[in-house]
Amino acid sequence: AQKITQTQPGMFVQEKEAVTLDCTYDTSDQSYGLFWYKQPSSGEMIFLIYQGSYDEQNATEGRYSLNFQKARKSANLVISASQLGDSAMYFCAMREPYTGRRALTFGSGTRLQVQP
Amino acid sequence: DGGITQSPKYLFRKEGQNVTLSCEQNLNHDAMYWYRQDPGQGLRLIYYSQIVNDFQKGDIAEGYSVSREKKESFPLTVTSAQKNPTAFYLCASSTALGSTTNTGELFFGEGSRLTVL
Repeated sequence: AQKITQTQPGMFVQEKEAVTLDCTYDTSDQSYGLFWYKQPSSGEMIFLIYQGSYDEQNATEGRYSLNFQKARKSANLVISASQLGDSAMYFCAMREPYTGRRALTFGSGTRLQVQP
Repeated sequence: DGGITQSPKYLFRKEGQNVTLSCEQNLNHDAMYWYRQDPGQGLRLIYYSQIVNDFQKGDIAEGYSVSREKKESFPLTVTSAQKNPTAFYLCASSTALGSTTNTGELFFGEGSRLTVL
């Protein structure tokens, strides 16, 4: 079974600084996908970034980048130049294999608070 | 605009009552999902459907039921058999199985918050 672990229940960062949110995963599959979602207090889930297991380069989307270390099974999210609007819950997730149900398995999340 | 609509946003239920949460999508996605989120926790899969007229249990299906009679709609019924139904419920959709041109990203609705009185 797949498992996603986020060991930081909460993080603080000063505005304009960079922050790294940790995510480790466990899977026996060779082909998988890793996602990060943001959940503001309103509750909606906002897709941030995706990394495929065969992608050789780390994914980047604007201020978001994914530090993918396949051998260590980690997929940490880096947010550069934090903004007050980045305060939210952040979830790491893994896509189940194509032969399976194709749902996403989520970690328990990290609450990020950006301080002025 | 294309997206997923969940209703109602807030719902209160007395113990012993069944309630149905609506989920409608106009993204032309084949697959739809229901997740449950408890305070301070991640999302857990209740049910999923990969095609019309077919659905499968997720990890926490007990006390819930679904139907998938139309591609656009995937309602979730929280039955009286669900022992602790107070939670935030999220509906999602994605493109079809076997599509190699997409990441498998899930698109989410805004959620429905159910409280049992």
